[in-house]
Amino acid sequence: GQNIDQPTEMTATEGAIVQINCTYQTSGFNGLFWYQQHAGEAPTFLSYNVLDGLEEKGRFSSFLSRSKGYSYLLLKELQMKDSASYLCAVDNYGQNFVFGPGTRLSVLP
Amino acid sequence: NAGVTQTPKFRILKIGQSMTLQCAQDMNHNYMYWYRQDPGMGLKLIYYSVGAGITDKGEVPNGYNVSRSTTEDFPLRLELAAPSQTSVYFCASSSSASGNTIYFGEGSWLTVV
Repeated sequence: GQNIDQPTEMTATEGAIVQINCTYQTSGFNGLFWYQQHAGEAPTFLSYNVLDGLEEKGRFSSFLSRSKGYSYLLLKELQMKDSASYLCAVDNYGQNFVFGPGTRLSVLP
Repeated sequence: NAGVTQTPKFRILKIGQSMTLQCAQDMNHNYMYWYRQDPGMGLKLIYYSVGAGITDKGEVPNGYNVSRSTTEDFPLRLELAAPSQTSVYFCASSSSASGNTIYFGEGSWLTVV
């Protein structure tokens, strides 16, 4: 079966750091994506993790632990424009990407 | 850069009507997908295709049909529209190899009344 869990909503303050968690149980696993989706728009790519560990890309970092079925997205120096939904998605060997329910992040001034 | 193009962007259908959502990509991607996203929810896979002439059901295929006669086009057909099909529909594509980014179209907002 396929099961991906994320917190439904999170709130943080401008300039702060926030960690969005994603746990997964899927029949296949080749890697994990994080996407950002602003309201009324299509998802846009943030990161892709294949190996265990932390990948850093500017203010955004993504971590993966394959043995624990766990990933997180770390957002630093939060800005108002970071208010969006964040979707994790399991890459099931390229034939079927399974998306989590998404975490809606609100950044407050 | 066109990328993934979906039409129409907005549509209102009456119950029982049929329609086709068009999707085209110009990146020569083998893999194409149709997702639906209900308000406040994640993306659910309707159908996907790994190449021309090949289609497979995703998580929520009932009430929909697809075809893939060319690499570029992947239309989604709604037969006998129902209110439960009110949603935002995203077409997406990726290249063959696993680990490649999925590129999304801008979405099609469909309301069935």
